[in-house]
Amino acid sequence: AQSVTQLGSHVSVSEGALVLLRCNYSSSVPPYLFWYVQYPNQGLQLLLKYTSAATLVKGINGFEAEFKKSETSFHLTKPSAHMSDAAEYFCAVSLMDSSYKLIFGSGTRLLVRP
Amino acid sequence: DSGVTQTPKHLITATGQRVTLRCSPRSGDLSVYWYQQSLDQGLQFLIHYYNGEERAKGNILERFSAQQFPDLHSELNLSSLELGDSALYFCASSVEGGDHSPLHFGNGTRLTVT
Repeated sequence: AQSVTQLGSHVSVSEGALVLLRCNYSSSVPPYLFWYVQYPNQGLQLLLKYTSAATLVKGINGFEAEFKKSETSFHLTKPSAHMSDAAEYFCAVSLMDSSYKLIFGSGTRLLVRP
Repeated sequence: DSGVTQTPKHLITATGQRVTLRCSPRSGDLSVYWYQQSLDQGLQFLIHYYNGEERAKGNILERFSAQQFPDLHSELNLSSLELGDSALYFCASSVEGGDHSPLHFGNGTRLTVT
């Protein structure tokens, strides 16, 4: 069964530091992978999507993610954290069945220290 | 603004009661998905409708039901409410053209069962 695992329920970085949020997937076929962000009291917003066209995917707000098949990973990175990046981040996989529903990881809360 | 509208934003009710959550998808989107977000369970897929027909079911309790109407809006009905049903309920919509289109989320309905 396809699923995603997010390592680290909380990640804390200083403003200006590298952001690295980890996501590993489990899939027997090439997956469709997504990163979403949830700001307080809001719904989820799409950051980026992997569709096999390119292994390095650029998203909004300076985020990008690299698909590594050999490591079954799809980690999210940003070179320099900003205070406004503080939020919860979810990795998700789209199942290859009759429904295109997303299965989400448990989420990682990013804290940015001034 | 994702274009997905959920009402009401907040709902407080007592155990044993029944409530209806409403979702209007983005213009042109045929698919509606319902998710439940709670602290202990994370983001759980409940059910998916496509153009009025049920497409997939997830971890949805028998006390819960949903439907999608001809105008494509959807309602999630929760009955015989229990304290554990307190959660954020999200609706998401997508075009679903067969290319794993991203889901666009509403801001959710926060249900509190007392």
